[in-house]
Amino acid sequence: AQTVTQSQPEMSVQEAETVTLSCTYDTSESDYYLFWYKQPPSRQMILVIRQEAYKQQNATENRFSVNFQKAAKSFSLKISDSQLGDAAMYFCAYRIHDSNYQLIWGAGTKLIIKP
Amino acid sequence: EAGVAQSPRYKIIEKRQSVAFWCNPISGHATLYWYQQILGQGPKLLIQFQNNGVVDDSQLPKDRFSAERLKGVDSTLKIQPAKLEDSAVYLCASSYLSPLGAGSPLHFGNGTRLTVT
Repeated sequence: AQTVTQSQPEMSVQEAETVTLSCTYDTSESDYYLFWYKQPPSRQMILVIRQEAYKQQNATENRFSVNFQKAAKSFSLKISDSQLGDAAMYFCAYRIHDSNYQLIWGAGTKLIIKP
Repeated sequence: EAGVAQSPRYKIIEKRQSVAFWCNPISGHATLYWYQQILGQGPKLLIQFQNNGVVDDSQLPKDRFSAERLKGVDSTLKIQPAKLEDSAVYLCASSYLSPLGAGSPLHFGNGTRLTVT
């Protein structure tokens, strides 16, 4: 079965500190993309970062980086120098190359930033 | 570029009433998705269109939900009659078909929060 597990329903971090959100997934495919999306209280889902499974180098976008462990099927998100605007729900998802390109979503992690 | 537009932003109806949501995707995006997101959960795909054809509607409760995408652009999602368990946020997303294939990101609208009383 294709699943995504985010084991942390809620995380909190002090402003300016670093936090890591965990994500594991299950697929028998070898070629796929992994994504982290952010959903603030405004409800709009925003792409944070994406990683192609064939690339060994971990993706980085400014303060956001991932630790991709393909063999372990793990895809964690690290947020450095946390800011108040980072407070949101964070969803991990993956998508395989098939006819539908359907996204498989995790249940999300609520990130709280303490000032 | 203009983002994905959705309306209305909020809707409150009584059970057994009908409701419709509208979505205008980003210009040029061939693929359009409707998701249902219940509070505290990840999005659940209801229906996926490629241009004006349906790619996947396996999780759409077809006895009460319907969706169409006219001329491969705008889309409407309708619920008739609504049930209490339909209370959720309905998200519309679109994506561009590119050589990236599965890597093409989804662009989301602000969603419609539906409350059924």
